[in-house]
Parts: sequence; structure tokens; C-alpha cells
Amino acid sequence: NAGVMQNPRHLVRRRGQEARLRCSPMKGHSHVYWYRQLPEEGLKFMVYLQKENIIDESGMPKERFSAEFPKEGPSILRIQQVVRGDSAAYFCASSPLNNPGPDTQYFGPGTRLTVL
Amino acid sequence: RKEVEQDPGPFNVPEGATVAFNCTYSNSASQSFFWYRQDCRKEPKLLMSVYSSGNEDGRFTAQLNRASQYISLLIRDSKLSDSATYLCVVNNQAGTALIFGKGTTLSVSS
Repeated sequence: NAGVMQNPRHLVRRRGQEARLRCSPMKGHSHVYWYRQLPEEGLKFMVYLQKENIIDESGMPKERFSAEFPKEGPSILRIQQVVRGDSAAYFCASSPLNNPGPDTQYFGPGTRLTVL
Repeated sequence: RKEVEQDPGPFNVPEGATVAFNCTYSNSASQSFFWYRQDCRKEPKLLMSVYSSGNEDGRFTAQLNRASQYISLLIRDSKLSDSATYLCVVNNQAGTALIFGKGTTLSVSS
């Protein structure tokens, strides 16, 4: 059973470009969480999604950031018009359908975004 | 006040030493508590959950004091492989996501 997969693992963008980060949850998991870790900082919750629904986006910046988790395919975190301050590691976690919550979040390896 | 506060360290200890990390959290409504381990900015991995009665897993002992909103982790007989950053984690107010401390760095040397 493959774990949580994220791609790309490393992404380099120039200021003003768009970044798309993908997360495929573990098989059988339909809850996805995105976290961001800025340099020298702890992980910060961004958004929690179920299939086709955003449940909690209280940690998402109000502008340029969006997330989706379609019925088919991976969850996507999109950052438009990236700025240098967006450089960070972005981690995705997934949780099983019947037991979502912090006790059962499995983390992916992360995507390291560098904005030049 | 930060939601989860930890001493960043670093803690530099020799093999075999006992080391303790502390953490405080601000939300008295938090219900779930954890210690995670993170190596070299890789993904965090759950080390252990923390229960009110305290719990032990091999060389690792976790304690929770709800009245003081304080969590601790004790590592006995430190190994070189214990070198990592230890993250104190609680659940958020909605109970759906995790709030991470910045972590405490441990370096174990021979």
C-alpha cells in the first residue's frame, strides 16, 4: 500500500509564475490536509479537504492560494503569482474515510518550492 | 502567545544521556497531543501520542499536565539515531488539524 505521494518533490519558479503542487492520498483515504513549513519555522495548517469539498481553509492566505480535491485525481494546491516569501516546504497529509482527525494523519514527503 | 511553544535548543548530548523536552500550549480546549520527529526537513513522523495518564514507549516517556497546559518528552539512553528535531503537536480548535511547535533540535554525539 503506497503511502501519501506528492509531486513534484522540488519545484523552482520565478516570481510571478504559478506553482501547482499535487498530493495523492493513501489508498482508501478521502481526507487531505495541506501544511506549509517556512524556513526555520514549524508546520502551519493551511487547508482541509474532502472529495470535492473544502472543509476548513482557515490557514490559507486570502489571496493567490487555492486548493481542490476533485472526485478523481490528486488534490492540487495552486499558488498564483508566486513571490519569494512562498518559498517553503509544502506537506500534504491524508486520513481515512471513517476516522479523520489528527490521530490518523499520514504525511507525504513534501514539495520544496523555491521562488527565484 | 504562540499556540505551541518549545525551546528550540539545540540540545547537544552524549550517547547514553537522558534528555527532556518541554512544551506549552495555549488552547485549553485541545484534546489531542503528540510528539513528532522530523529529520532534516523531511516529513514529520509520529513518535507517540500523549495521554493524560502519561505513557511510555521503550526509551521514550511522554507526560501531559492539562492544568498547566504542559507536555514533556523524556528520552533515556540516547542513541546517535535519536538526532532529529522533535515537534510538539496539539489539535486545533475544530479538532480537525494539527498545530505544530517550531521544534526542539537534538544532537546526540559519540
